[in-house]
Amino acid sequence: EVQLVQSGGGLVTPGGSLRLSCAASGFTFSSYSMNWFRQAPGKGLEWVASITISSYIVYVDSVKGRFTISRDNAKNSLYLQMNSLRVEDMAVYYCARDDGSRNFDWWGQGTVVTVSS
Amino acid sequence: DIQMTQSPSSLSASVGDRVTITCRASQAVSNYLAWFQQKPGKAPKSLIYAASTLQSGVPSRFSGSGSGKDFTLTISSLQPEDFATYYCQQYTTYPITFGQGTRLEIK
Repeated sequence: EVQLVQSGGGLVTPGGSLRLSCAASGFTFSSYSMNWFRQAPGKGLEWVASITISSYIVYVDSVKGRFTISRDNAKNSLYLQMNSLRVEDMAVYYCARDDGSRNFDWWGQGTVVTVSS
Repeated sequence: DIQMTQSPSSLSASVGDRVTITCRASQAVSNYLAWFQQKPGKAPKSLIYAASTLQSGVPSRFSGSGSGKDFTLTISSLQPEDFATYYCQQYTTYPITFGQGTRLEIK
C-alpha cells in the first residue's frame, strides 16, 4: 500500500527555519516526481514546489530563495527546508506523489507549520 | 499565472441529488485539469485527472468533463460521505493553481 508519512512541523518564530520530511513506502520512490502543497488556515490549496525524478526543481514565486525541496532516493524520502519563515508561510503542508503526468494521486497526512512570535 | 474560478462557492444539497460544480480557467489548459475532495482536517483526495479520468477506487457517481477553459464535476447521486469541499486544479503550466473551492453542505 502506498504511504506518505510526514514529520517535522512545529512552531517557529518569524525568520526561523524548519525542515519537513515525507517518508514514502509501498512504491518505487525514485520513479516518481514529488511535490509540496500547503493550505493556510481557513484557506484553499496552494502548490509550493516540485522535484522530478531527474531532480528538476520548480518553486512558487513566494518561496523562491527561502525554501529548498530535495529528495533522497536511498532513504525513500522527500524534504522541504524552509528558511526565513514568514507569518504568511503558516499552513498545513502536504507532500504528494505525481505519477509523471502531474496526476497527484497520493498525499501525505499533512504537517502543521506555525510561524508566530 | 492561470486563475481558476469555481462556481458556486457553496452549495446545499440532499442525499440522492445530482450536483454539478463548474471550474473556469483564465486561459486554456487543454485537459490538464484535476478535481480533489477534501474533508475537514484531512488531506485532499484525488478524484479525477486529465479532466475526465476517474482516479482508481473513486466511485463511478463522480464524473468530469470539459476541455480548454470550462470544466465540470458532476456527482450523479449524492451520498452522505460526499459532503466536503471540492477543488479544481490546473497543471498545464507552473505555477500549478487551484480554484477557491466549493463547499458542499447537507440541505
